[in-house]
Amino acid sequence: EDKVVQSPLSLVVHEGDTVTLNCSYEVTNFRSLLWYKQEKKAPTFLFMLTSSGIEKKSGRLSSILDKKELFSILNITATQTGDSAVYLCAFLTGNQFYFGTGTSLTVIP
Amino acid sequence: NAGVMQNPRHLVRRRGQEARLRCSPMKGHSHVYWYRQLPEEGLKFMVYLQKENIIDESGMPKERFSAEFPKEGPSILRIQQVVRGDSAAYFCASSPRQANTNTGELFFGEGSRLTVL
Repeated sequence: EDKVVQSPLSLVVHEGDTVTLNCSYEVTNFRSLLWYKQEKKAPTFLFMLTSSGIEKKSGRLSSILDKKELFSILNITATQTGDSAVYLCAFLTGNQFYFGTGTSLTVIP
Repeated sequence: NAGVMQNPRHLVRRRGQEARLRCSPMKGHSHVYWYRQLPEEGLKFMVYLQKENIIDESGMPKERFSAEFPKEGPSILRIQQVVRGDSAAYFCASSPRQANTNTGELFFGEGSRLTVL
């Protein structure tokens, strides 16, 4: 059975800290892995990863995929209160996007 | 270019009533996905539709739930005889291409929050 596991489930940090969020998966017919940010409304797209070892960056956020060890990490440096959200990873297999339960990040001023 | 539009944003129903949730995909998108999100849980896949076709409904409960995406008009998720356990946020997402050839992102609507009294 395909599954995706995110850790930690929740995280509380202070502004300026660096955080690493983990997403591990077991899937058949893997096509791509995606990261989303959800702030009480619609999830918004962050990154799509299809190849191992190639880091994607957007400002203070970066992500990388390891297809051999079946995991991805999302790094956020110099965190700000606006980074507080649930971060979801999802993978595409066949016709479906499977989502993890997310990591809830709270950034304290 | 409007995003994915869902309505109603909030819906309250009593047990036994019907709930209809609507989703208009982004312009040019012909693929629609419905997800359910319970409090403190992740997004659970329900159904994937293309215009006039159900492609994958493996995540949909066998009874009381149905979905359609007609040639004209929005996609509709219909829940008959609602029960309290149906209370959740229902998200719709669209994409311009078929999932098995699409490695791009999903565009999400803001969700419809169903509360069953």
